[in-house]
Amino acid sequence: LAKTTQPISMDSYEGQEVNITCSHNNIATNDYITWYQQFPSQGPRFIIQGYKTKVTNEVASLFIPADRKSSTLSLPRVSLSDTAVYYCLVGDGGGATNKLIFGTGTLLAVQP
Amino acid sequence: DADVTQTPRNRITKTGKRIMLECSQTKGHDRMYWYRQDPGLGLRLIYYSFDVKDINKGEISDGYSVSRQAQAKFSLSLESAIPNQTALYFCATSDPDGSSYEQYFGPGTRLTVT
Repeated sequence: LAKTTQPISMDSYEGQEVNITCSHNNIATNDYITWYQQFPSQGPRFIIQGYKTKVTNEVASLFIPADRKSSTLSLPRVSLSDTAVYYCLVGDGGGATNKLIFGTGTLLAVQP
Repeated sequence: DADVTQTPRNRITKTGKRIMLECSQTKGHDRMYWYRQDPGLGLRLIYYSFDVKDINKGEISDGYSVSRQAQAKFSLSLESAIPNQTALYFCATSDPDGSSYEQYFGPGTRLTVT
């Protein structure tokens, strides 16, 4: 699976839009990009997944440029409850092992 | 009620003891997974099962064993616990017909080996 690189931490304030960028230079043709959110002492929670261009759901948007070597998770108008670790994962959803490989993630701290 | 439950939620045990962590799910998913998470690190896959007859090792299976008793139940055992197995353990499930990377995680079991 392709390796991902994302910032270790980010700070924001309530009401701001937060963009977390993930680099995945070795992404393969069949790979999808998936983001998870994890609160302290809880299991990760799936946020969004995409292949190219833009994907939006009720929680976030995912922007993927044409070369797919990076992606940006956008959280609109964050609140204190969005403080969490965000993981970017890249892999072939049809792969035999169907396993997730988590990096260290990005710790987002939202302040009042 | 939670879709994926884990028992116990917290456990302290001594070196050399055998311990079992249990996972149950009501999502009807065939695929189940066990991960461990160490402080400040991401999750690492221990074992995974695509159905009751299919068990596979993950990247860190040494010192662990699993049992898939039914579609809904997947247990992780530490045959002889050691201190470096102190970690947060998560069970997860996924639907083979859904997004392959959308997994549903339980609340975790915090294990301390003294």
